[in-house]
Amino acid sequence: GDSVTQMEGPVTLSEEAFLTINCTYTATGYPSLFWYVQYPGEGLQLLLKATKADDKGSNKGFEATYRKETTSFHLEKGSVQVSDSAVYFCALTTNAGKSTFGDGTTLTVKP
Amino acid sequence: GAVVSQHPSWVICKSGTSVKIECRSLDFQATTMFWYRQFPKQSLMLMATSNEGSKATYEQGVEKDKFLINHASLTLSTLTVTSAHPEDSSFYICSARHGRGLQETQYFGPGTRLLVL
Repeated sequence: GDSVTQMEGPVTLSEEAFLTINCTYTATGYPSLFWYVQYPGEGLQLLLKATKADDKGSNKGFEATYRKETTSFHLEKGSVQVSDSAVYFCALTTNAGKSTFGDGTTLTVKP
Repeated sequence: GAVVSQHPSWVICKSGTSVKIECRSLDFQATTMFWYRQFPKQSLMLMATSNEGSKATYEQGVEKDKFLINHASLTLSTLTVTSAHPEDSSFYICSARHGRGLQETQYFGPGTRLLVL
């Protein structure tokens, strides 16, 4: 079946450091790929998405590129802020509309 | 982006009572909504898919008589936890499907935290 594997956390960085959270997937067909962010006590917010190979999703300084050859969708940000501290979920949605989420990666950014 | 609301955001109830949680898409119509459960520091577990005008589709291991889902309109789905027990305490999150094909995206509600005493 479909699956999403995320880099295990927690990840702790200093402010202005470079962030990478790895995400790889297995799925039949050509899924759409997503990154969601969850702040403490809240639901999930869509951060960015990519719908086909080589697409780059970007938002609020975060980027991720849909790499079909490596089945990856790694999340990156050049300079993190304390306000980026949250849990990040990688997810895919198949053509049949079924979604699968990774286990989440907790990011803590220290001043 | 599209907005999904949930109500209530917090509920505390006694064991044996039933609790209803509402999920609304505020600025779009959603023929399909999803209900998830999230335990502390864990990922989302899909409980069921709610389709407007038809019965919900439950995931394996989820009791449909325990978790009643009604998708009454194109903007409202409700989850009723019947005869709640302490083990039902959790964070319940709904999402609504927006768009079609490659543009399809799920938008999530803010979640409802249920505590059963």
